[in-house]
Formats: sequence, C-alpha cells, structure tokens
Amino acid sequence: KQEVTQIPAALSVPEGENLVLNCSFTDSAIYNLQWFRQDPGKGLTSLLLIQSSQREQTSGRLNASLDKSSGRSTLYIAASQPGDSATYLCAVPTGANNLFFGTGTRLTVIP
Amino acid sequence: KAGVTQTPRYLIKTRGQQVTLSCSPISGHRSVSWYQQTPGQGLQFLFEYFSETQRNKGNFPGRFSGRQFSNSRSEMNVSTLELGDSALYLCASSYGTDNQPQHFGDGTRLSIL
Repeated sequence: KQEVTQIPAALSVPEGENLVLNCSFTDSAIYNLQWFRQDPGKGLTSLLLIQSSQREQTSGRLNASLDKSSGRSTLYIAASQPGDSATYLCAVPTGANNLFFGTGTRLTVIP
Repeated sequence: KAGVTQTPRYLIKTRGQQVTLSCSPISGHRSVSWYQQTPGQGLQFLFEYFSETQRNKGNFPGRFSGRQFSNSRSEMNVSTLELGDSALYLCASSYGTDNQPQHFGDGTRLSIL
C-alpha cells in the first residue's frame, strides 16, 4: 500500500532564501510524480511532473528531482518570494488518473 | 485555453439531502477525476471517468456517485448527506493517458449543517 510523506509539515523562511521540500513514497513502482501548490481556499496548481525515466525537471525557479530507488523526490525553490507562500503537495499515481497525495508542506516566505 | 471549471463554488446543505456538483474539463481532455479534501484525511480519490465510463473508484460509500457526458463534462452526486461529507470537492482533468499531468479546478466547498 502506497504511503506518501512530506516533511516538514510547515516551513517559514525569509524572502530570498533557497529552500528544499521533501517527498517520500514507499512503493517505488511509480511511472511519474507530480508537484502541486495550493493557495488557501483554492484548487491545486500543477507545478511539475517528473516521469520515472527522468531524474530532474525544471520550470523557472523550481527544480524537482526524483530518485525512485530511494523513494524520494525533492522540490527546490530558488530565491523564494512572498508569492511562493502556499501549501505544496506531491502526488504519485496509483492507477490511471488516480493520484495519491502527501499531506503537504505549508510554506511561508517572510518579506 | 480555459481551465477546469467547477460549479457551484459554495454550497450549504442539511443532513439527509442530496447534492450534485458539476465539472467542465479543459477542452480536449477526456478524463475527469474527483477528489475530496478534508483537514483530517487530506486529499482522497473518489473516482475517475474516461469517455463516459468509470475507470477507477476510490474507497467511498455508494452514496457517492458520478457520471460523464459525451462532451466530457462530469457530475458528482452525493445522496443522504452526512456531516462528515463537509469538504472541498475538487475535480481534475487530463488527456487520460499515462504520464499526462492532471489539472485541477478551484473546487466546490460543501458545508453540511
């Protein structure tokens, strides 16, 4: 049974700092991993999708890595901004279009 | 390209009533998935529809049902509402094949009194 863990549950950093969010999963038989952000009261915004054949995926200030053998993914945010404040969720597929989500990391970037 | 649209945004119901939520996917997407988000359980998968057929189902009681129309729009129905059904209901659409990202709507906030 898949379990997805995100540590820490909450993180506060000063503006401009680089930071790393962690995602661990127990079943490495995944074919991709997706990172999302969720603003309060809103839906999820897809940030990055890493396929199992890839090790990294980049979009702007965001870089996500995937290590299936160790069951880990990281989301690196460079030069953090107050607008990056949100909850970040990782998710792995457990069937066609059936995503299993972690519990999320609530990020606060302090101006 | 318009995103995923969910209606209504907010809904208040009482116990025992039923409710129908609607989701219009991104144009060209044939898969619609539904999720329930609560503070205690987080995000949980309800079911997924592709080309008007339910392909996957999560671990929810039969009170939760859905359907998909020929234009890929989907509806979710919850009957005999319980207090514990209060949640943010999110739908996501995709092309429906492996390795395609899911795109989410802003959700319907359902409150049960």
